Amino acid sequence: EAGVAQSPRYKIIEKRQSVAFWCNPISGHATLYWYQQILGQGPKLLIQFQNNGVVDDSQLPKDRFSAERLKGVDSTLKIQPAKLEDSAVYLCASSFSPGKAYEQYFGPGTRLTVT
Amino acid sequence: AQTVTQSQPEMSVQEAETVTLSCTYDTSESNYYLFWYKQPPSRQMILVIRQEAYKQQNATENRFSVNFQKAAKSFSLKISDSQLGDTAMYFCALRGSGAGSYQLTFGKGTKLSVIP
Repeated sequence: EAGVAQSPRYKIIEKRQSVAFWCNPISGHATLYWYQQILGQGPKLLIQFQNNGVVDDSQLPKDRFSAERLKGVDSTLKIQPAKLEDSAVYLCASSFSPGKAYEQYFGPGTRLTVT
Repeated sequence: AQTVTQSQPEMSVQEAETVTLSCTYDTSESNYYLFWYKQPPSRQMILVIRQEAYKQQNATENRFSVNFQKAAKSFSLKISDSQLGDTAMYFCALRGSGAGSYQLTFGKGTKLSVIP
């Protein structure tokens, strides 16, 4: 079974530039998550999708971050404009269902450096 | 709000020895799940073990076991017969129901080094 795919693996941009990350979840997984992991901390949930609808985006900085999952499969996370404090690893995860018991499978992440 | 605290930023263990990683948490819910995730340098987060709060029996997965103390809100991970491949960041996580999303709340992690 193929895992969660993410691209790019690394990205370096200057502040105020835009960047987009792509995620392809495990086939058949209806729930998709984006996490932000700042160096030295655990991942923090940014947004959760159930199929193509948003379940929770309470911790997403909506003035600069946006995400979509148009066909209920792939997802894109965008930052515009980027700030220095956005430097982090962005992890995508998916699960079969949003319920508490269902394991979340993580992708390898995208390391973003904002200079 | 849910919180997860890992008080050991770094730990080391000799190969083949046993090590215990600590985790405490806080939640107002009665039904929740606790997890230990491993994140090696490659960054791929991997589930190590999970515990359902309503189950009194401690979960075990091969060399990994937990000590779940519900009243004390403590959830420690024991790794027996440590191997070099166990070197990684270990994150304790709690999954309850936040904003209806059953979001996963992580601790800051413990960096474990297994020494040959």
